[in-house]
Amino acid sequence: DGGITQSPKYLFRKEGQNVTLSCEQNLNHDAMYWYRQDPGQGLRLIYYSQIVNDFQKGDIAEGYSVSREKKESFPLTVTSAQKNPTAFYLCASSIALPDTQYFGPGTRLTVL
Amino acid sequence: KNQVEQSPQSLIILEGKNCTLQCNYTVSPFSNLRWYKQDTGRGPVSLTIMTFSENTKSNGRYTATLDADTKQSSLHITASQLSDSASYICVVRTLTGGGNKLTFGTGTQLKVEL
Repeated sequence: DGGITQSPKYLFRKEGQNVTLSCEQNLNHDAMYWYRQDPGQGLRLIYYSQIVNDFQKGDIAEGYSVSREKKESFPLTVTSAQKNPTAFYLCASSIALPDTQYFGPGTRLTVL
Repeated sequence: KNQVEQSPQSLIILEGKNCTLQCNYTVSPFSNLRWYKQDTGRGPVSLTIMTFSENTKSNGRYTATLDADTKQSSLHITASQLSDSASYICVVRTLTGGGNKLTFGTGTQLKVEL
């Protein structure tokens, strides 16, 4: 069963704590992405990675960090420096940078 | 500034009826335009992709149109079903140095009722 998975589906954290969101794909895609979705706004790009061991900041990278140690995995850490972390986070992957992006099911993060 | 605007913001229709969603963009230079369907609490799924030279593209009951001159696109849904209830997002790709700049619209929330 191929695809892109995110876990957990719902995540609750206390203010000031770092939290890591998981994203895994078995599509053999080189490129992976993290987006944030807020009500009434379009998706905004946080970070993207074209290839293993390489990643670039997107439009709203402040307060977030990523790693790409394996082709299949692209975890996102929401740090305490992110001022408004409560949101729906979407991970995506594509064969290469300009190709069709396939999205995971998302993780809803709520910071209390 | 690159922008993608969608209308209406929300729409309620009866099952079996048709509807048309609009997307206007100011993205330049234009590469392609894609329509996604996003069910509540799920990730978006691609419906159609259109390049500069394409005017119309269909995917089952979904038909997208593109007018690159006026920078407008529409998504027409025929014979709507309850399962069409979702948010429909218009996404425009621009050709930048990095080759991967996407601008997302805020979506049209469609509800299909009995």
